[in-house]
Amino acid sequence: AQSVTQLGSHVSVSEGALVLLRCNYSSSVPPYLFWYVQYPNQGLQLLLKYTTGATLVKGINGFEAEFKKSETSFHLTKPSAHMSDAAEYFCAVSDLMGGSEKLVFGKGTKLTVNP
Amino acid sequence: KAGVTQTPRYLIKTRGQQVTLSCSPISGHRSVSWYQQTPGQGLQFLFEYFSETQRNKGNFPGRFSGRQFSNSRSEMNVSTLELGDSALYLCASSLGLAGGITSTDTQYFGPGTRLTVL
Repeated sequence: AQSVTQLGSHVSVSEGALVLLRCNYSSSVPPYLFWYVQYPNQGLQLLLKYTTGATLVKGINGFEAEFKKSETSFHLTKPSAHMSDAAEYFCAVSDLMGGSEKLVFGKGTKLTVNP
Repeated sequence: KAGVTQTPRYLIKTRGQQVTLSCSPISGHRSVSWYQQTPGQGLQFLFEYFSETQRNKGNFPGRFSGRQFSNSRSEMNVSTLELGDSALYLCASSLGLAGGITSTDTQYFGPGTRLTVL
């Protein structure tokens, strides 16, 4: 079964600073990888996904992530944090079971942006 | 295009009761998946329905069940509620093509139903 590890349950950055949220996965086959964001009292919103092709994936709100197979990583970055980026971020991998796929999520990283 | 809707948004029940949650997927989506989110366990997959059939199931007791209607709307039911069932229940819809998530298919989540069991 696939699994996802997000390093750091809480990350704090200053407004304008680089955002780096770490995600490592375990997968025996090339995975589909996702980053979702959850704002307070809301559901999950897809930020970006990697399926095949270019390993640097650009998403919404200025976020991007790079798939590194050799490191089994899919870290999320944003060059300059904005106050509105404060939320919880979830990395997920697709897991094939029973002929269909489901998402396996990491525990999440709560991002705080300080003024 | 309207997003995934879930009703009710908030629910308070007592132990031993049963509850039904509803999810309306994005128009044209035939797959509906349910997830439970708790602070301790994070996001865990409950089950997935496609064309009125359960296609995938997570590791939850039989008290958790679901169904899907011909219009792709889905309901999940939890019987004999326990305190530990307090959680945010999220529904996600997708096209459901080719057996699940593909390069052209993605799961879109609703806002969730917050269930509190007293």
